Amino acid sequence: GAGVSQSPSNKVTEKGKDVELRCDPISGHTALYWYRQRLGQGLEFLIYFQGNSAPDKSGLPSDRFSAERTGESVSTLTIQRTQQEDSAVYLCASRAQGASYNEQFFGPGTRLTVL
Amino acid sequence: DAKTTQPTSMDCAEGRAANLPCNHSTISGNEYVYWYRQIHSQGPQYIIHGLKNNETNEMASLIITEDRKSSTLILPHATLRDTAVYYCIVRSRHGSSNTGKLIFGQGTTLQVKP
Repeated sequence: GAGVSQSPSNKVTEKGKDVELRCDPISGHTALYWYRQRLGQGLEFLIYFQGNSAPDKSGLPSDRFSAERTGESVSTLTIQRTQQEDSAVYLCASRAQGASYNEQFFGPGTRLTVL
Repeated sequence: DAKTTQPTSMDCAEGRAANLPCNHSTISGNEYVYWYRQIHSQGPQYIIHGLKNNETNEMASLIITEDRKSSTLILPHATLRDTAVYYCIVRSRHGSSNTGKLIFGQGTTLQVKP
């Protein structure tokens, strides 16, 4: 498909376990964002990748959260020692180079439930 | 970024036009109005944006008042699939920083009814 894809679509884990979430951006999109959305809430920015520049990690809520991106392709968001407050939908978005920063294309999200 | 105010919820009959208002009285000269929507269990979807002229694309029309303090998103023939939360965002084209991270408020929940 031509859109942003994310996997898994749903993840249920136990408190204290580590989880890894994957995002495949639209081919050729240089910018990639991770957001978190708690139930009934708006988007919460987590991290931003742009090409080979240093990522903007200003939104990561704690050092349990980390993300990597290989070049301009796949990105993984890792949450270590998960807590119940980490339960949310994790959304990935990508943007083409030169496009307005606000024209982001979102994936379907990964719904994380921490028991 | 300018603050926006939207009604919490609206209903619309299927096949009729849905008109979603947004107030942005503190908008500045270089700020655009962007609309996104989020259908249940899906990621947000970009709809349309504009600066001062009215805009139309395959999804919707955007009407911006002459003083730019408010705007209306129009879905000309709403369908059940248009039921979603609609977010109005006002910001400069490249964001207030170099990252362009999006910040959504509560939006308007549009319920299209048969």
